[in-house]
Amino acid sequence: DTEVTQTPKHLVMGMTNKKSLKCEQHMGHRAMYWYKQKAKKPPELMFVYSYEKLSINESVPSRFSPECPNSSLLNLHLHALQPEDSALYLCASSQESQGRSKYFGPGTRLTVT
Amino acid sequence: GESVGLHLPTLSVQEGDNSIINCAYSNSASDYFIWYKQESGKGPQFIIDIRSNMDKRQGQRVTVLLNKTVKHLSLQIAYTQPGDSAVYFCAENESNTGKLIFGQGTTLQVKP
Repeated sequence: DTEVTQTPKHLVMGMTNKKSLKCEQHMGHRAMYWYKQKAKKPPELMFVYSYEKLSINESVPSRFSPECPNSSLLNLHLHALQPEDSALYLCASSQESQGRSKYFGPGTRLTVT
Repeated sequence: GESVGLHLPTLSVQEGDNSIINCAYSNSASDYFIWYKQESGKGPQFIIDIRSNMDKRQGQRVTVLLNKTVKHLSLQIAYTQPGDSAVYFCAENESNTGKLIFGQGTTLQVKP
């Protein structure tokens, strides 16, 4: 099973809302990732968690707050977002942070109004 | 059909023809490369990968070629089908950071 699941599939939120994106994998992978993808652009790395610890933060604004409660779960907490943050948010996992194959979830389509 | 140069946004091929999608990568230290297929509204789907100590790898209907001398990667799809229509991204894995760096992507359109 090479499945990464993400919820919700779609999310519409106002600029004053607080919401969370969730990601789960049961492949025993020890590295998990958040990517942001704008329309017609490649995914851009936001955060990397390795063995449940944050190892890379690609200078992401603090209105995005990642959390890794355990080795199977990854959350992205959202607060005070801007309309330009509207995008597809993708979660991925791999065996280790320098692991070979990175498997992606289907993404959460986020719209900030 | 073939995409040429560093990046061609769209490649249009006839069903049944072979497709070649090209990609140039930037980091000589990258040790691993992946091709992804992304259909509309979905996340990237792993197609095939290749390590830097190889120059060719074959899968089912797909072949990846790696030329480290010119830092060039290509994906060949044999007997292209309508279901192959998607955006294709190459990605290089930076060995020192584990970061996956994506190319700009090529849209493959398959004409029936």
